Amino acid sequence: AQSVTQLGSHVSVSEGALVLLRCNYSSSVPPYLFWYVQYPNQGLQLLLKYTSAATLVKGINGFEAEFKKSETSFHLTKPSAHMSDAAEYFCAVIEGGSASKIIFGSGTRLSIRP
Amino acid sequence: NAGVTQTPKFQVLKTGQSMTLQCAQDMNHNSMYWYRQDPGMGLRLIYYSASEGTTDKGEVPNGYNVSRLNKREFSLRLESAAPSQTSVYFCASSGQNTDTQYFGPGTRLTVL
Repeated sequence: AQSVTQLGSHVSVSEGALVLLRCNYSSSVPPYLFWYVQYPNQGLQLLLKYTSAATLVKGINGFEAEFKKSETSFHLTKPSAHMSDAAEYFCAVIEGGSASKIIFGSGTRLSIRP
Repeated sequence: NAGVTQTPKFQVLKTGQSMTLQCAQDMNHNSMYWYRQDPGMGLRLIYYSASEGTTDKGEVPNGYNVSRLNKREFSLRLESAAPSQTSVYFCASSGQNTDTQYFGPGTRLTVL
């Protein structure tokens, strides 16, 4: 059965520092992987997605993620944090090509220190 | 385009009351979804509709029913609300099965 684990429910970085949010998944078949962002009192919006093309995926707002099959990871990074990046981030996996089997991670809240 | 809209934005119910959450999308998407979001648990899929006239159970369907009224609208009904259904409910839509999902602003429901 598929699952998603986000390491760290809360991550705090200084403005301008590297952002690294961790996501590990388990899936018996090649997965579709997503990162979504949720700003306060809003719905989720897509940052980026992996669908078995390039393993390094670039998204909006300077974020990117690398699919590493050997490590079953899909970590999200951004070289330089901005205050506007403060939000909650969710990793999600779809296994077997059926959206009815989508699983979201529990989320990581990113705080940015001035 | 309004995207995905949800009504109401807030609702307070007493245990045992019923209500319907409404969702509509104007992006001509085939697939629509209902999720609930609880602290520390991420989003959990309640029901999913791949196309007009079809619905499938997700991870947590108990206590809920859905109706895909037409291609645009997908409603979620609580027949007899329970305090365990206190949550934030999100509707989403996507063009195809594994496409990007577009989310509505959510409905914050409290059951007393």
